[in-house]
Amino acid sequence: GAVVSQHPSWVICKSGTSVKIECRSLDFQATTMFWYRQFPKQSLMLMATSNEGSKATYEQGVEKDKFLINHASLTLSTLTVTSAHPEDSSFYICSARDRTPNEQFFGPGTRLTVL
Amino acid sequence: DAKTTQPTSMDCAEGRAANLPCNHSTISGNEYVYWYRQIHSQGPQYIIHGLKNNETNEMASLIITEDRKSSTLILPHATLRDTAVYYCIVSSNYKLTFGKGTLLTVNP
Repeated sequence: GAVVSQHPSWVICKSGTSVKIECRSLDFQATTMFWYRQFPKQSLMLMATSNEGSKATYEQGVEKDKFLINHASLTLSTLTVTSAHPEDSSFYICSARDRTPNEQFFGPGTRLTVL
Repeated sequence: DAKTTQPTSMDCAEGRAANLPCNHSTISGNEYVYWYRQIHSQGPQYIIHGLKNNETNEMASLIITEDRKSSTLILPHATLRDTAVYYCIVSSNYKLTFGKGTLLTVNP
C-alpha cells in the first residue's frame, strides 16, 4: 500500500512553546489529508480535513487558532500546535487520500508530550 | 455516516481463521465499509474496503451481507502479529469516524 510518513515520531516540549508536525505522502499525491488525535486508551478523533491549496476544515470543538494546518503541496501537510499545554499531550496521526477513490492511508503517528 | 457496532474483544488461536463481525444496519446506498487495524502505539493500517460485493486481498476477505446491514472481516490464517484493534467504519465522503473497535487477541 501507499506510504505516509510523519516527522518527528515523538517530541517533548515545554509548556507555552509551539510544535510543528509534518505529514508526507511518499509515493502518491494526496489531494486531501486528515489530522487525528488519540488519547490513551481512546479511539482516534478527527481534528481537521486539509485540502491542498485551501484552508483546513476543523471538526467541532477543535480550535483552529491553536492547531494550525498548512497543506501547501500535494505531498505535505503540517500541523502546528501553538502555545502547547500539558493537556495537548497526545498521539497525533495524519492520513492521506490518494487519487484512487476511497483509499486512505495513515502515518505512523507523532507522540507529543508537553511538560 | 452510519454507525457501526462491533464486539469489544475476541480471541483466536494462531493459525486459525479470525472472523470479525460488524453491524451497520443504518448504512446508506453510497456508503462504503472500511476495515482498518491499529497495533499498539502505531498509526492505523488499511486492510480492505467494499461497497456491495465481497472483496479479497492479500491481507483479508470482506464479506458483506446482501442487505448490507452487516459485514465480516476474515483473516484466513491468524498470526500473533495480527493482534490489534480492528475498526469497522462506514463512510461515503472519505471522513473516517473511528469507534472503539474490536480488540483481537491471537493466542499461541
